[in-house]
Amino acid sequence: GAVVSQHPSWVICKSGTSVKIECRSLDFQATTMFWYRQFPKQSLMLMATSNEGSKATYEQGVEKDKFLINHASLTLSTLTVTSAHPEDSSFYICSARRDSIGYTFGSGTRLTVV
Amino acid sequence: GQNIDQPTEMTATEGAIVQINCTYQTSGFNGLFWYQQHAGEAPTFLSYNVLDGLEEKGRFSSFLSRSKGYSYLLLKELQMKDSASYLCAVINGDYKLSFGAGTTVTVRA
Repeated sequence: GAVVSQHPSWVICKSGTSVKIECRSLDFQATTMFWYRQFPKQSLMLMATSNEGSKATYEQGVEKDKFLINHASLTLSTLTVTSAHPEDSSFYICSARRDSIGYTFGSGTRLTVV
Repeated sequence: GQNIDQPTEMTATEGAIVQINCTYQTSGFNGLFWYQQHAGEAPTFLSYNVLDGLEEKGRFSSFLSRSKGYSYLLLKELQMKDSASYLCAVINGDYKLSFGAGTTVTVRA
C-alpha cells in the first residue's frame, strides 16, 4: 500500500510556457503533500507544503506566484511552474503524508526548459 | 531553521562496512529517516528512528541520539549495488521533512 503517482515523469517545454505536474495518492488519503526540487548532485529542497482545501505554505525564497500549488482533494495536489525559464530546469518530487511518520514519495518529474 | 549535516562522499570496498554520520539542529523533532537515492529516481525508504538507540534491518542499521542531535547509518557487507546517495532527513515539530545534502557512497570491487 501507500503508493503515490506523479505525472509526468519528464517534460520538455519552451521558455515562457507553463507546466503542470500532478501528484496523486492512489490508496490513501494524504493529509499533507510536500513539493521538493532537486538540482543535480544536490539534496531535496522543500519548496512548499500543501494541505487540502487551504493555501500552500511556501518556504523562504520560493516564489508563490511562479510555483502555483493546488491541493484540490485529499488525493491530488498539483504544482504549476508558470512562465518557465531554463533555470527552472530541475527534478521535482512530491511527497504525501498519510499519518505522523508515513511519507511516501512520487517517482519525480524531470523538467527541462529550453 | 533546519541544519542537517552529513559528509559529501565516502568510498569503500565491496564486502566492507561504511558508517554515514548525520548531525542535525531542527525546530522540534518527530523522527529521523534514512533514504537511498539513485540518480534521477525518487528516494527509497531505509529506516526510521524516533527513540534513542539502534534499529537493525538486515545489512542496514541506523542509530539515533536525540540529546546529541546525531544519527548514523551503518551499511554492512557492502555490495556494488549499494553505490548510491544516502539522505538523512528529519521531521521537525511541524511535521515537515527536511533533507541533508546527501552522502554519495561509491563501492569499489
